[in-house]
Amino acid sequence: AQSVTQLGSHVSVSEGALVLLRCNYSSSVPPYLFWYVQYPNQGLQLLLKYTSAATLVKGINGFEAEFKKSETSFHLTKPSAHMSDAAEYFCAVTVTGGGNKLTFGTGTQLKVEL
Amino acid sequence: DAMVIQNPRYQVTQFGKPVTLSCSQTLNHNVMYWYQQKSSQAPKLLFHYYDKDFNNEADTPDNFQSRRPNTSFCFLDIRSPGLGDAAMYLCATSRDNRGNSEQFFGPGTRLTVL
Repeated sequence: AQSVTQLGSHVSVSEGALVLLRCNYSSSVPPYLFWYVQYPNQGLQLLLKYTSAATLVKGINGFEAEFKKSETSFHLTKPSAHMSDAAEYFCAVTVTGGGNKLTFGTGTQLKVEL
Repeated sequence: DAMVIQNPRYQVTQFGKPVTLSCSQTLNHNVMYWYQQKSSQAPKLLFHYYDKDFNNEADTPDNFQSRRPNTSFCFLDIRSPGLGDAAMYLCATSRDNRGNSEQFFGPGTRLTVL
């Protein structure tokens, strides 16, 4: 079975600083990896996804993530944090033949301070 | 805009009183999912429909049922809600059940059990 681990349940950055949210995966077959963002009392919105094409994936709102097979990682980054980035971020994994069932990490709450 | 709609956004019910949550989609997607998300936790898949085929997760309590009368609508029925069923319930859709098929989420229904 596949899984993801998100290191750091809470991350705090200053506005304008680099955002780095960590995600490591475990899968016996090639994975598909996703980052979702959730604002309070809202559903999940897809930021970006890795589906075995380019290893550097660019998403919405200036976010990007790099798939590193050797490190089993898919960390999310943004060069300059904005106050509007404050939200919960979930990393998730699926695999071919897995029925497209998302397995989520436990989430990282991002706080952006002035 | 094509979207996933959930009604109501907030639902209050009494302990043991049946409740139904509604989800509709204008995306014409084949797959519809129901997730339960408790406070500060990751979403947990309850079940999903691929077209008319129902797929229950092994650890989903019998208290939870679902109906999909047509492509556009899917319902979550909680037969006898307990205090532990208070959560956000998220509906999602995807075009198919391949692992790289993006899931689109609705805004969720927050269920309170008194």
